Parts: sequence; structure tokens; C-alpha cells
Amino acid sequence: QVQLVESGGDMVQPGRSLRLSCAASGFTFSSYGMHWVRQAPGKGLEWVAFISSDGSKKYYADSVKGRFTISRDKSKNTLYLQMNSLRADDTAVYYCAKDFDASWCLDYWGQGTLVTVSS
Amino acid sequence: QSALTQPASVSGSPGQSITISCTGTSSDVGGYNYVSWYQQHPGKAPKLMIYEVSNRPSGVPDRFSGSKSGNTASLTISGLLAEDEADYYCNSYTSSSTWVFGGGTKLTVL
Repeated sequence: QVQLVESGGDMVQPGRSLRLSCAASGFTFSSYGMHWVRQAPGKGLEWVAFISSDGSKKYYADSVKGRFTISRDKSKNTLYLQMNSLRADDTAVYYCAKDFDASWCLDYWGQGTLVTVSS
Repeated sequence: QSALTQPASVSGSPGQSITISCTGTSSDVGGYNYVSWYQQHPGKAPKLMIYEVSNRPSGVPDRFSGSKSGNTASLTISGLLAEDEADYYCNSYTSSSTWVFGGGTKLTVL
């Protein structure tokens, strides 16, 4: 069965960096695009970034463009989100999600990892 | 990348039907049949309920249905059950090769 397990969430100060990881199993990781989605405390879902199956295409929300970088390592079946210049409004639970091939939706989600940006 | 517009809350009694709307623009909802809907219970990860406007993944009850007209998509839940009480989010692929969520709708089963 598909499993996505996020890790790396922590409390960091504004301006610092953090890298999130998402370990994937139960499917052929290299065949599917992957997303990061976040949810601020008590708020709605916000799409953050997408990477294509081969890593050649990357797309970002305007709110994180230039600060966050999505990447993947097919040898480790792992998705990453490098977050730089963190701000208080980046505080959220970050979910990784698998793309439903050719349907442009998110069919499996991890349980999320909490990032808190505070001084 | 403005969020799609959903009502903040809807409610219904067990056995009734409710509909949640999701309004976007011609650059997202109106321009593509890539509208999906997600159910989220408190403290849990979202779950895909509808994809490509009206398709249900296996395991999702046929009480859940989706449709679209112009720039507005809709999720209908018929025969409401207590377990349907949750937050619901719509999502659309956009002309910028990004994705956008709606603000979310809290469904209360009375």
C-alpha cells in the first residue's frame, strides 16, 4: 500500500533554513509527480510545489517562489523541500502528496510534519 | 493565484443532501476538467473524494458526486451520514501550471 512519511519539521527562527523529507513506499516512486501542500494552524490547505516524475519540471506557489526548492532522489525514494529565508507565515503542517497520474490531483497524502517559525 | 471561493460552512440533517460550491475563473476551474475535492477530518490528512470534476476513486461511496458549470464546480453529498462531518476543499489545476485550493467548507451534520 502507498505510504508517505514526512520528517524534518521543527521550530526555527525567522530567516533560517530547514529541509523537509518525504519517504515514499508502496508504489514506483520514479513514475509519479509529487506535491507539497501546507496548512497553517486553523487555516485551509495551500498548494506549495510540484515536481514531475523525472524531476525536470518544478512549479511553485508565488508565496514560496525563490525561497523554497523541491527535489527528489529516486535512489532513496524520497521527496524533499528545502525552505530558506523562513518567515512567520510559513508556520504550518507540511504534507507531501502523490500526483494521480494525468489527472492532476493528489491521490495519496502523508500525515504531515509541523514547521514553526518563531523567534 | 487567488484561492477558489467556497462557502465557509454548510449543514444538513442525516439522510439529506447538501451541495458545496467552488468558484474560480476561466484560468482554473472553467478552463480545465481537473477539479478535485478533498475531505479532511480534524487532525487528519486530506483524502481524495472526487477527481476530474466527477470521478470517484475506488472506495469512495457513490453518495459523493461532482459536477461543473462554467467557472463553478460543485460537490454533492446525498444521504448524509454523521461520519461525513468534516472540512471539504476543492482544488483545480491552473493555466500557470500550478494548483489552487478553495478556502474550505465546514460541513456540519445536525
